[in-house]
Amino acid sequence: KQEVTQIPAALSVPEGENLVLNCSFTDSAIYNLQWFRQDPGKGLTSLLLIQSSQREQTSGRLNASLDKSSGRSTLYIAASQPGDSATYLCAAPDGYNKLIFGAGTRLAVHP
Amino acid sequence: DGGITQSPKYLFRKEGQNVTLSCEQNLNHDAMYWYRQDPGQGLRLIYYSQIVNDFQKGDIAEGYSVSREKKESFPLTVTSAQKNPTAFYLCASSMKVAGVGNTGELFFGEGSRLTVL
Repeated sequence: KQEVTQIPAALSVPEGENLVLNCSFTDSAIYNLQWFRQDPGKGLTSLLLIQSSQREQTSGRLNASLDKSSGRSTLYIAASQPGDSATYLCAAPDGYNKLIFGAGTRLAVHP
Repeated sequence: DGGITQSPKYLFRKEGQNVTLSCEQNLNHDAMYWYRQDPGQGLRLIYYSQIVNDFQKGDIAEGYSVSREKKESFPLTVTSAQKNPTAFYLCASSMKVAGVGNTGELFFGEGSRLTVL
């Protein structure tokens, strides 16, 4: 059974800093891994989807990497901005029918 | 605009009442899902449906029921049997259930917050 862990649970950084969010999963037989952003009281917004055949995926200032052999994914945010403040969740598949979510990393970027 | 619409955004329920949360998508997605989110926890799967007139239990289906009579609609009923229903409920959809040849990328609605009085 897939288990997903995110570290750290919370992070506070000054504006402009580069940062890394970590996601680990126990079952490496995954076909993809997805990163989401959630603003308070809102639904989840898909940020990046990495297929198992890819090692990384980029969108703007975001870069996500996937290392299946070690059961890890990282989300790299470059030049952080206050608008990046949100909770970031990763999700890995458990079989074909469902995603297992981590508890998230709550990010605060202060001016 | 294409997307997933959940309603109502806020809902209050008295003890012993059933309530139904609506989820509609116009993305032409085959698969739809219901998740529950509690503070400090990850999302937990309640039910999912891969095709019209078919649905499967997730990890926490007890006290909930669903139907999938139309491709675009997947309503969730929170019954009086659900002992702790106060939570944030999220509906999602994907083109298909993930497998060889498709991504299974998940898209979410804005959520419905249910409070038991």
